[in-house]
Amino acid sequence: SAVISQKPSRDICQRGTSLTIQCQVDSQVTMMFWYRQQPGQSLTLIATANQGSEATYESGFVIDKFPISRPNLTFSTLTVSNMSPEDSSIYLCSVEGELRETQYFGPGTRLLVL
Amino acid sequence: GQQVMQIPQYQHVQEGEDFTTYCNSSTTLSNIQWYKQRPGGHPVFLIQLVKSGEVKKQKRLTFQFGEAKKNSSLHITATQTTDVGTYFCAVMNSGYSTLTFGKGTMLLVSP
Repeated sequence: SAVISQKPSRDICQRGTSLTIQCQVDSQVTMMFWYRQQPGQSLTLIATANQGSEATYESGFVIDKFPISRPNLTFSTLTVSNMSPEDSSIYLCSVEGELRETQYFGPGTRLLVL
Repeated sequence: GQQVMQIPQYQHVQEGEDFTTYCNSSTTLSNIQWYKQRPGGHPVFLIQLVKSGEVKKQKRLTFQFGEAKKNSSLHITATQTTDVGTYFCAVMNSGYSTLTFGKGTMLLVSP
């Protein structure tokens, strides 16, 4: 299975600032995904990070708020821009699993916005 | 995207009791997946069910896919404190490579 790391693991930020979260995989993968998990809630897909093209955003998420980069097949970043307390969540990256259509998740970034 | 209902939202059992969580969809599913998230952890893939009526076992965990491929269940026999966590079902969004997760069932096991 793929080994996924995320940086930072947690952060406390002031409202109005931006935070960039990094996701690194130990093998090349085609599909990388970014999720948000608000406290006590399920996972909500933010976007699919496509290598060499713009990310595909889900309904309710926009590029200006959550810009994503995917410079190669092992790395992606998600930026949470102009943060507000409502952005306090766990942000998770995932990659396609060994079984088609399954996913492996990174350890997550726990973000608190004050 | 796909919609999937998961119940119950929460269950508290005594160690040794059984536990079951259910997922239901109004549409036929190509497959269904189950993930477990320990407190403070990240979701971990458990299993994928593809065939109508499929039953798979992992030690004390039994996974079932309904005959109509619209529902699924995860049953844990004789729960242990290590089973604590939130169990999510997840389904593929038709035509995409993305997943929609159920709301999850949080399991608490008291020793």
